[in-house]
Amino acid sequence: GNSVTQMEGPVTLSEEAFLTINCTYTATGYPSLFWYVQYPGEGLQLLLKATKADDKGSNKGFEATYRKETTSFHLEKGSVQVSDSAVYFCALRGNTPLVFGKGTRLSVIA
Amino acid sequence: GAVVSQHPSWVICKSGTSVKIECRSLDFQATTMFWYRQFPKQSLMLMATSNEGSKATYEQGVEKDKFLINHASLTLSTLTVTSAHPEDSSFYICSADHTGTDTQYFGPGTRLTVL
Repeated sequence: GNSVTQMEGPVTLSEEAFLTINCTYTATGYPSLFWYVQYPGEGLQLLLKATKADDKGSNKGFEATYRKETTSFHLEKGSVQVSDSAVYFCALRGNTPLVFGKGTRLSVIA
Repeated sequence: GAVVSQHPSWVICKSGTSVKIECRSLDFQATTMFWYRQFPKQSLMLMATSNEGSKATYEQGVEKDKFLINHASLTLSTLTVTSAHPEDSSFYICSADHTGTDTQYFGPGTRLTVL
């Protein structure tokens, strides 16, 4: 079945550092790929998405490119801020509801 | 756009009582809604898929008689936790399919504490 594997956290970075959170997937067919962000005590917010190979999703300085050859959808940001501290979930969707990775907790310190 | 609300945001109840949680899509219609459960510092576990006007589809291991789901309109789904026990304490999150897209939008969650 479909599955998502993302890097274990927690990840701690200094403000303005470069961020990469790795995400790989296993799926049949051509799923859509998503990154969601969850701030403490809140639900999930859609951060970005990509629906086909080589698509790049971007939002709020975050980017991720749908790489079919490596089955990956790594999240990147060039300069993180303290306000980016949250849990980030990679997810995919084929013909089923969203399948989530386990989440990566990011802490950004000033 | 694409806002999903949940009510209440938190609830404390006594063991043995029932609790109803509402999930509404505020500015779009949602033929399908989903209910998730999240334990501390863990990912989301899909409990059930709710389709407007039909019975919900429950994931393996989820008791349908304990977690009653009703999806009476295109903008409202409810989850009722019946005869709640302390082990039902959790963070419950709903999401709604934006009809015609492949994107699920999530509510802010409801924290349930059963004493």
